[in-house]
Amino acid sequence: ETGVTQTPRHLVMGMTNKKSLKCEQHLGHNAMYWYKQSAKKPLELMFVYNFKEQTENNSVPSRFSPECPNSSHLFLHLHTLQPEDSALYLCASSRDYSGTYEQYFGPGTRLTVT
Amino acid sequence: SQKIEQNSEALNIQEGKTATLTCNYTNYSPAYLQWYRQDPGRGPVFLLLIRENEKEKRKERLKVTFDTTLKQSLFHITASQPADSATYLCALRSNAGNMLTFGGGTRLMVKP
Repeated sequence: ETGVTQTPRHLVMGMTNKKSLKCEQHLGHNAMYWYKQSAKKPLELMFVYNFKEQTENNSVPSRFSPECPNSSHLFLHLHTLQPEDSALYLCASSRDYSGTYEQYFGPGTRLTVT
Repeated sequence: SQKIEQNSEALNIQEGKTATLTCNYTNYSPAYLQWYRQDPGRGPVFLLLIRENEKEKRKERLKVTFDTTLKQSLFHITASQPADSATYLCALRSNAGNMLTFGGGTRLMVKP
């Protein structure tokens, strides 16, 4: 185990649903990340929180809304998604957002939008 | 535009041989380069980090080289085992910011 947990592991939702993905890290890290991984494409950074402040929003559509209530928890709120949003959503954490430290990834949430 | 390229074709090798994976980049001035392993349906796992002023890094059977002139990193697994079969990702952090950008990964298959 990497010390980063994600729930749920699998999610099927319709385009009109609202759901949330949850991530928790037990490593004492100060930076947390959301990535999207689609088939045949590289990992895409979506959001970064460093010391609970959002520092990166990588041109992500507003139907994805992150929330970081404390340095151990990260949420991704989903609403009005499209079928092309189906992917593996990965949460990661690192000591800080300097790029000098490795990232620890959770197991991911496999999202299917129908 | 900035690009990180890894061979998208799977690399098939025989057990016991050395596997060599390549990560090429363009229009980057990387400060750090990292390698991760990813198994199907799971998140990537960190393996090694190498800095721009380091030529080589080793960890057990793993070796990473970093050539900023060639704009290339090589990742070697010596005495490969079937358990080494996975997708290997390289990731760069440039001097211009803190964001880590990942390559598409290369799938390694080690046959017994």
